[in-house]
Amino acid sequence: DTEVTQTPKHLVMGMTNKKSLKCEQHMGHRAMYWYKQKAKKPPELMFVYSYEKLSINESVPSRFSPECPNSSLLNLHLHALQPEDSALYLCASSQGGSVYEQYFGPGTRLTVT
Amino acid sequence: GENVEQHPSTLSVQEGDSAVIKCTYSDSASNYFPWYKQELGKRPQLIIDIRSNVGEKKDQRIAVTLNKTAKHFSLHITETQPEDSAVYFCAASITGNQFYFGTGTSLTVIP
Repeated sequence: DTEVTQTPKHLVMGMTNKKSLKCEQHMGHRAMYWYKQKAKKPPELMFVYSYEKLSINESVPSRFSPECPNSSLLNLHLHALQPEDSALYLCASSQGGSVYEQYFGPGTRLTVT
Repeated sequence: GENVEQHPSTLSVQEGDSAVIKCTYSDSASNYFPWYKQELGKRPQLIIDIRSNVGEKKDQRIAVTLNKTAKHFSLHITETQPEDSAVYFCAASITGNQFYFGTGTSLTVIP
């Protein structure tokens, strides 16, 4: 398996809802990432997990909570989001160490109403 | 932190012509420079990358050049085809787990 998969593809949620995004890879990669991408903008790094430990948190609001249950899975828990959080949420993975190439999943298109 | 600038923001070329996209970076410690292609509604796809110990890398119609002294790198696409139409992002990285992306170039190849 040479792909990063993400579920769901689309998500609509109200500001009081709690939902989770899921990312999975079976390439043996040891680093996983969450990015947020607005239309016509580059991806913005949110979180980095390296060897299942959170190594980078780019000052993301606490309404976004990442979780890495194991080396193949990455979750992003969402709670009390704002309409401005509507975006494409991308997961990526890389082998880690001195191998830098990052491979992106297809993303979850999130709409907050 | 690192700052990456990318130009032009939009680029239109006739099919068969070449396209060049340029990026500059600010931190001389950056040592990895990937290029991503993102078609509308799809994921960013890594198309080519270069490390700081190499000046040029080529893969079929795509090439990347790096000038460490001037701190700039460029993507060259030859013999463009309509399917090359997409947004292209450059990036720079120091540690490998944090990419600093350029603002993107929307390339349109006119048949």
